[in-house]
Amino acid sequence: AQSVAQPEDQVNVAEGNPLTVKCTYSVSGNPYLFWYVQYPNRGLQFLLKYITGDNLVKGSYGFEAEFNKSQTSFHLKKPSALVSDSALYFCAVRDRYGNNRLAFGKGNQVVVIP
Amino acid sequence: KAGVTQTPRYLIKTRGQQVTLSCSPISGHRSVSWYQQTPGQGLQFLFEYFSETQRNKGNFPGRFSGRQFSNSRSEMNVSTLELGDSALYLCASSWGADRDRYEQYFGPGTRLTVT
Repeated sequence: AQSVAQPEDQVNVAEGNPLTVKCTYSVSGNPYLFWYVQYPNRGLQFLLKYITGDNLVKGSYGFEAEFNKSQTSFHLKKPSALVSDSALYFCAVRDRYGNNRLAFGKGNQVVVIP
Repeated sequence: KAGVTQTPRYLIKTRGQQVTLSCSPISGHRSVSWYQQTPGQGLQFLFEYFSETQRNKGNFPGRFSGRQFSNSRSEMNVSTLELGDSALYLCASSWGADRDRYEQYFGPGTRLTVT
């Protein structure tokens, strides 16, 4: 079964500092990996995905993520955090066998301090 | 291009009642998935529909059911509501092609409260 671990409940970072949100995964075969962000009382908003190719994936709003197969990780990064980045971030994984079932991590609350 | 829409946005029901939630996917998307989000269990997959057929199902009791219409719109039904069914129900759509490598786009959700 596919699964995701997001080890930290909350990530606090000062505005302008680099932001990292950690994610490790477990799946049969090669994964499809995704990051989503959720603002209060809203649905999930897609940020970026890894399907194949370059291990460094660039997404929306200046976010990027690095796929590391040996460490089964897909950490989300942003070089310079903004107060508006404060939100709940979810990592998700699915296998490549023709289904759309996403397994999500528990989510990380990111707080960017002005 | 319009996003995924869900109706209603908020719903209050009493234990034992049943409820139907609706989802309209992005135009052209043929796959619709449903997820339940709660503070305790996080985001859990309910089921996925593609071309009016249930293609995948999560570990939820039979009280949770769904269907998809020929225009790809989907409905989810929960019968005999329990207090634990209180949650944000999210619908997501994607192209749905075989070995789909496309991301899912989520609607704003329906907040269900069972009293």
